[in-house]
Amino acid sequence: GAVVSQHPSWVICKSGTSVKIECRSLDFQATTMFWYRQFPKQSLMLMATSNEGSKATYEQGVEKDKFLINHASLTLSTLTVTSAHPEDSSFYICSARIRDTEQFFGPGTRLTVL
Amino acid sequence: GQNIDQPTEMTATEGAIVQINCTYQTSGFNGLFWYQQHAGEAPTFLSYNVLDGLEEKGRFSSFLSRSKGYSYLLLKELQMKDSASYLCATMDSNYQLIWGAGTKLIIKP
Repeated sequence: GAVVSQHPSWVICKSGTSVKIECRSLDFQATTMFWYRQFPKQSLMLMATSNEGSKATYEQGVEKDKFLINHASLTLSTLTVTSAHPEDSSFYICSARIRDTEQFFGPGTRLTVL
Repeated sequence: GQNIDQPTEMTATEGAIVQINCTYQTSGFNGLFWYQQHAGEAPTFLSYNVLDGLEEKGRFSSFLSRSKGYSYLLLKELQMKDSASYLCATMDSNYQLIWGAGTKLIIKP
């Protein structure tokens, strides 16, 4: 099956710093990627839909100036958490759409903000 | 509105069978997915149903009734490694996934 990678797998940062998370589709091109956030014992929450070459579409309640998404190529989307705070600590997961009804998930990035 | 309901937690015995139910109400429907998620890991795809009926894949089977807004995931011959959360998700008219809260399945020896 298709492979999606995320980097880093986990990151610890100080409050107020910015963190960039990369999501790559390794063996296919993805015009659409999704970014999810998952808090402990909760389900996945869609943050935004990232489309190659255009601005991301953010879900209601997600601050676009805080969570910057760049989908510069058909194989790479990045999520930058700007001025991170402890409440941003979460498990961030990306997925890449290979066709309408099929998405492949990355392994996730565990962010801890001190 | 959109709503997906599944039990929060279930317990079963190794070697037994367990059925995890999911009911949904969504605006637009392009199929229902079941994913398995182990703690600290991303979800992995188990099944996809878009037509009514039962889809069997090894030890796992998934059933869908669109008229009832109902699906279940059936796990047979349970193994300890099946201990995980099982997420039910529907795909809406925009091909976006709408996720349930997940069912934590605990397998006891």
